[in-house]
Amino acid sequence: DVKVTQSSRYLVKRTGEKVFLECVQDMDHENMFWYRQDPGLGLRLIYFSYDVKMKEKGDIPEGYSVSREKKERFSLILESASTNQTSMYLCASSLYGTGRQETQYFGPGTRLLVL
Amino acid sequence: AQSVAQPEDQVNVAEGNPLTVKCTYSVSGNPYLFWYVQYPNRGLQFLLKYITGDNLVKGSYGFEAEFNKSQTSFHLKKPSALVSDSALYFCAVREGGYSTLTFGKGTMLLVSP
Repeated sequence: DVKVTQSSRYLVKRTGEKVFLECVQDMDHENMFWYRQDPGLGLRLIYFSYDVKMKEKGDIPEGYSVSREKKERFSLILESASTNQTSMYLCASSLYGTGRQETQYFGPGTRLLVL
Repeated sequence: AQSVAQPEDQVNVAEGNPLTVKCTYSVSGNPYLFWYVQYPNRGLQFLLKYITGDNLVKGSYGFEAEFNKSQTSFHLKKPSALVSDSALYFCAVREGGYSTLTFGKGTMLLVSP
């Protein structure tokens, strides 16, 4: 079974703090993704990565950065947390398939509260 | 640009009755379509996907979905609902060719005993 783990289930931070969210997958997947989930808005893509040291902006990258130094690990960084970044953050990974049929597998999520 | 719509915020159904959760999509090329389910305080779990071939796709937990190209729809169905099916359901689409998934806003399914 694919396993995607996230470093924290719940996190409380103060405005202005630098926040690191870590995601690790154990299936040697090339692709990794960070989403945020908000009620009534569904999932919105923040950043994704196709390979080590590669990153691409998603739909809502402002206020975030990412790091992928190893294939299995993809970190989301909030440089200076703000209250509007209070949300559920979901990490996902998938294979890079020539058929482009990749299924994304999700971690359990990190619920972040910024005070 | 690709997009997906889930027109119902919530669907209520009695246990044992059939259920349908609606999804329509818009893409410029061939669609790859997915359904995911999210239980409370959990990540998303993959249910099923349509890539090509048979328009009726069967997935996990007795769910199935029908791809209708003329109506650009991919509705999720189950013949007999269970209380344990109560969860948040997401439809997602990707165009043929390498690109990212676009998710709908989700539909809450509530199955009453």
